[in-house]
Amino acid sequence: DIQLTQSPSFLSASVGDRVTVTCRASQGINSVLAWYQQKPGKAPTLLIYSASNLQSGVPSRFSGSGSGTEFTLTVSSLQPEDFATYYCQQLNSYPLTFGGGTKVEIK
Amino acid sequence: EVQVVESGGGLVQPGGSLRLSCEASGFALSGHWMHWVRQSPEKGLEWVSRISSDGSSTKYADSVEGRFTISRDNAKNTVYLQMSSLRVEDTAVYYCVRDVGRSVGGIWHKWFDPWGQGTLVTVSS
Repeated sequence: DIQLTQSPSFLSASVGDRVTVTCRASQGINSVLAWYQQKPGKAPTLLIYSASNLQSGVPSRFSGSGSGTEFTLTVSSLQPEDFATYYCQQLNSYPLTFGGGTKVEIK
Repeated sequence: EVQVVESGGGLVQPGGSLRLSCEASGFALSGHWMHWVRQSPEKGLEWVSRISSDGSSTKYADSVEGRFTISRDNAKNTVYLQMSSLRVEDTAVYYCVRDVGRSVGGIWHKWFDPWGQGTLVTVSS
C-alpha cells in the first residue's frame, strides 16, 4: 500500500498568511494526487486534482505543485473561511489512500 | 446540481448487517465509477470500495473484503453498500463519492467529486 505522510499535522496561522502543506508518498504516484478541504461536520470538498489543477469554483489563492513523491498545497493569503482540515489522496493505485490531514487553525 | 445523497446508516450490533444507499442526481450515474469512503476519528479517511460504471468490476479494501458488497442500479441512479458481519471498528461516517477522471499523457488521472453528506454507521452492543 502507498503511504501518504502529511506535514505538519497541525498549523496555527493568521489571516493573510501564506500557508504550505506537504504530502509525501512512499512511492511514485504519477502525480495522480488530489487535495480536499473539510470543515467540521461537513464532507470533504475537492480543491486540487492531478497535483496542480484547480477545481472549478475554488479560489485562485489555492495552488498545488509537486511530482514524484513530494507534493504541496499552498494558500497564498489565508482567509477566514480557509480554516479547516486539508487532506491529500493518491488515486494512482489501489488501495486508494489518504494522508492523515493537516488542521489549520486561527492564531 | 450534481450531488449524491447517502442513506441507511444507523446503530447495529456487532455481527449484524446494514445496507447503505447512495442516490445520484444531476449527472448520468451510468457514466461514472463510484466509491465508498469512510471516516472515523481513529483511522481518518479510509477508502472502502469501488464499482465500475456498469457494475461488472468491483474492488474492496482488505479490511472489508468478504464482508461488504458494493452494487449499483443505474436505472434507479443508486449505488449500494451491503455490510455484513459488522465489527466495532466499522463504526464511521460513510461517504459515497463520484469518480471523475481523464487520460493525461497515457496515465489515467482521477479524483473524487462530489462527496455526499455522509451517513453514520455505529456498531455497538
